[in-house]
Amino acid sequence: SYVLTQPPSVSVAPGQTARITCGGNNIGSKSVHWYQQKPGQAPVLVVYDDSDRPSGIPERFSGSNSGNTATLTISRVEAGDEADYYCQVWDSSSDQGVFGGGTKLTVL
Amino acid sequence: QVQLQESGPGLVKPSETLSLTCTVSGGSISSYYWSWIRQPAGKGLEWIGRIYTSGSTNYNPSLKSRVTMSVDTSKNQFSLKLSSVTAADTAVYYCARVVVVAATPVMDVWGQGTTVTVSS
Repeated sequence: SYVLTQPPSVSVAPGQTARITCGGNNIGSKSVHWYQQKPGQAPVLVVYDDSDRPSGIPERFSGSNSGNTATLTISRVEAGDEADYYCQVWDSSSDQGVFGGGTKLTVL
Repeated sequence: QVQLQESGPGLVKPSETLSLTCTVSGGSISSYYWSWIRQPAGKGLEWIGRIYTSGSTNYNPSLKSRVTMSVDTSKNQFSLKLSSVTAADTAVYYCARVVVVAATPVMDVWGQGTTVTVSS
């Protein structure tokens, strides 16, 4: 089945830019979605279809996808962005949803 | 806006069947896919499966032999059954609405999650 690989952790200082990667074989040919999960809470969709934002999600959240890597970029990071972030795709070859292992974003 | 609420027993005995229901409020259950996702404590998200309101399903191959999903449009509910549970099935279980964007499914609304513990 399709595998998505994320770094376990990323650290960034407030005001800086955080980049969280999601690796997969030819992931650029798939549509990638990103979810934010804060402790004790349900995941929240922050980017869908590689780079679109649901209403209510700040413009600081953006995404890109090419080749074998998709990236979630968080600009001007705030303390409130500290959370786990998961990428997700639909594997059409096996008709199933697939999540990456998640990345813990720490705001220093 | 649409809200989802999971319900069901918080404790299930090993070898028995886990049964959960997700109630959809603030909108119709019709014409959408609906998913179940779980998360063991301290671990990542695992997609369990999805069901369309027609009853069509897709399941995670690793769980397929034990999973059954169903939908009750008259009650605006959909359900999950997972048979022959073991301690490895202990997790927070989430339900979610699935919308199709650019021909691909995305989970845009999630329930708050319910904790299920498998123990005798």
